[in-house]
Amino acid sequence: QSVLTQPPSASGTPGQRVIISCSGSSSNIGINYVYWYQQLPGTAPKLLIYRNNQRPSGVPDRFSGSKSGTSASLAISGLRSEDEADYYCAAWDDSLSGWVFGGGTKLTVL
Amino acid sequence: QVQLQESGPGLVKPSETLSLTCTVSGGSISSYYWSWIRQPAGNGLEWIGRIYTSGSTNYNPSLKSRVTMSVDTSKNQFSLKLSSVTAADTAVYYCAREGYTYTSYYFDYWGQGTLVTVSS
Repeated sequence: QSVLTQPPSASGTPGQRVIISCSGSSSNIGINYVYWYQQLPGTAPKLLIYRNNQRPSGVPDRFSGSKSGTSASLAISGLRSEDEADYYCAAWDDSLSGWVFGGGTKLTVL
Repeated sequence: QVQLQESGPGLVKPSETLSLTCTVSGGSISSYYWSWIRQPAGNGLEWIGRIYTSGSTNYNPSLKSRVTMSVDTSKNQFSLKLSSVTAADTAVYYCAREGYTYTSYYFDYWGQGTLVTVSS
């Protein structure tokens, strides 16, 4: 059971916009930044969004993040086949004094 | 370009200690937090713990009693020991660096991961 809650799956057709949610609590998302990682099959996770809504250089602006209260979301617009991957949210948890992850959302591009 | 490489036995017997080392190249190990993260097959990511180059540590409370991390700055390496392993500890183990921008920390560099299987 993950500390952060994500839907196990999401899907969309090419060109569509998909939103993946991440729910936490007052000890993690409520008071700390949210991060999103993309994991392509057979590879290590890659940072996609940091500090709630910032993109590292090289990440397309089709990816955007937002946070409100104890929840966050990742939006992917103009969906492409190469976006098919697992997506994880993460945050520091002050009560646990450690990083917590969501269970991951498997995105399928139909 | 910073690169991380995990090394260690791929097979560990139940009740024994899992030992992994992460070697950092292309940059200094100093002044960063370094984490271990694992992922059982078909499952999500679990943070195991982290160590700062001073030796200060934070561990996942669910694993704290079995985890020990250490750092060797002269070799640009940090290590993980997980004791009394069971089949539930079978996973791909990643090492990762916590980069930072202002007050924001994040995992910016990851190793490729190493599969550790616990079996007799």
